Amino acid sequence: KQEVTQIPAALSVPEGENLVLNCSFTDSAIYNLQWFRQDPGKGLTSLLLIQSSQREQTSGRLNASLDKSSGRSTLYIAASQPGDSATYLCAVSPFNQAGTALIFGKGTTLSVSS
Amino acid sequence: EAQVTQNPRYLITVTGKKLTVTCSQNMNHEYMSWYRQDPGLGLRQIYYSMNVEVTDKGDVPEGYKVSRKEKRNFPLILESPSPNQTSLYFCASSLGRGLVTADTQYFGPGTRLTVL
Repeated sequence: KQEVTQIPAALSVPEGENLVLNCSFTDSAIYNLQWFRQDPGKGLTSLLLIQSSQREQTSGRLNASLDKSSGRSTLYIAASQPGDSATYLCAVSPFNQAGTALIFGKGTTLSVSS
Repeated sequence: EAQVTQNPRYLITVTGKKLTVTCSQNMNHEYMSWYRQDPGLGLRQIYYSMNVEVTDKGDVPEGYKVSRKEKRNFPLILESPSPNQTSLYFCASSLGRGLVTADTQYFGPGTRLTVL
């Protein structure tokens, strides 16, 4: 059964730092991988979606990479800002699951101090 | 504005009192689903719907019902809520092409449910 792991569970950095969040998954049979942001008391916002045939996606200061064969993805945040403080969730869409449920990791809670 | 809406946002109820959490999307999406989020367990899918009148169980369907009579609406029904259903609930939707969806999923703002 597909499992998604995110390391670290929490991360605190000073403003301006570049940082990397890690996501690993156990089964490489996926359609895509998505990175979400969750703010306290709010829903999930999709940040980046990488199809299984792609290696990376970029949006502004965010860059996500996907290495399907090794079951890994990273989310790179450049020049972090206090507004980036949130929980970041990684989710995969498994290839062999009829319901197309997203399988989520437990998230990395990021705190950026000014 | 393209969005998924949920109501209510917060609900405190008692064991056994039937309740419905509504979900609506304005993006003409075919695929809709419900998740619950619990500390230490993350997000888990409850039910999903590939299209009108087509629903199926997710990973944790026990104690829940859903219906999809219209494309835009996908209510979650708890006929006899119990304290272990205290959780944060999210509705989500996506285009849903064919048998699987490879599209971005859009989430509602969440409903925090407490069952006493």
